[in-house]
Amino acid sequence: SQKIEQNSEALNIQEGKTATLTCNYTNYSPAYLQWYRQDPGRGPVFLLLIRENEKEKRKERLKVTFDTTLKQSLFHITASQPADSATYLCALDDSSASKIIFGSGTRLSIRP
Amino acid sequence: GAGVSQSPSNKVTEKGKDVELRCDPISGHTALYWYRQSLGQGLEFLIYFQGNSAPDKSGLPSDRFSAERTGGSVSTLTIQRTQQEDSAVYLCASSWTANYGYTFGSGTRLTVV
Repeated sequence: SQKIEQNSEALNIQEGKTATLTCNYTNYSPAYLQWYRQDPGRGPVFLLLIRENEKEKRKERLKVTFDTTLKQSLFHITASQPADSATYLCALDDSSASKIIFGSGTRLSIRP
Repeated sequence: GAGVSQSPSNKVTEKGKDVELRCDPISGHTALYWYRQSLGQGLEFLIYFQGNSAPDKSGLPSDRFSAERTGGSVSTLTIQRTQQEDSAVYLCASSWTANYGYTFGSGTRLTVV
């Protein structure tokens, strides 16, 4: 079965710096990969989707890369702000392509 | 509606009781999913509905769990004879099509005492 690994330790970044989060996966080659943001007590919010034939996608201050050879996605937040503090979840479609499987998330804290 | 609505937002129940959790997806979304999230853990897939197709129940942890989706819209997740290990946040999500950009509700926090 698929396995998704995200940094289990919290990431602390100084405001204004670029935050980089890592998502690694094994045992499968997903057609696409998604990133979500989750705040305490709330459901996840969809941010970006990247397909297997795309190497990079951007949305405002967000950038996602997808390396199918390394089986890795990197999620970047440039010019980070305290409001970016949240848990970020990586997700990929499972082998049946009917649902997505989530990683356990990385908690990001941006200090002023 | 504007978003995915779940009710109740919190539910405390005694061990052995049955509970029903409700999800109202975004109008027009054909795909509906249930996940659960234990404290500090990732999301665990439970069940998936797509249009009129038979649901994918592969994530249901035991036969005490069941779900239905009436009229392709509202869904109810039922847990019978609740156990303490069922305590978690139950999240519902919907999307236009399978696997793309889920919209999640705020979840139902279930506590079994």
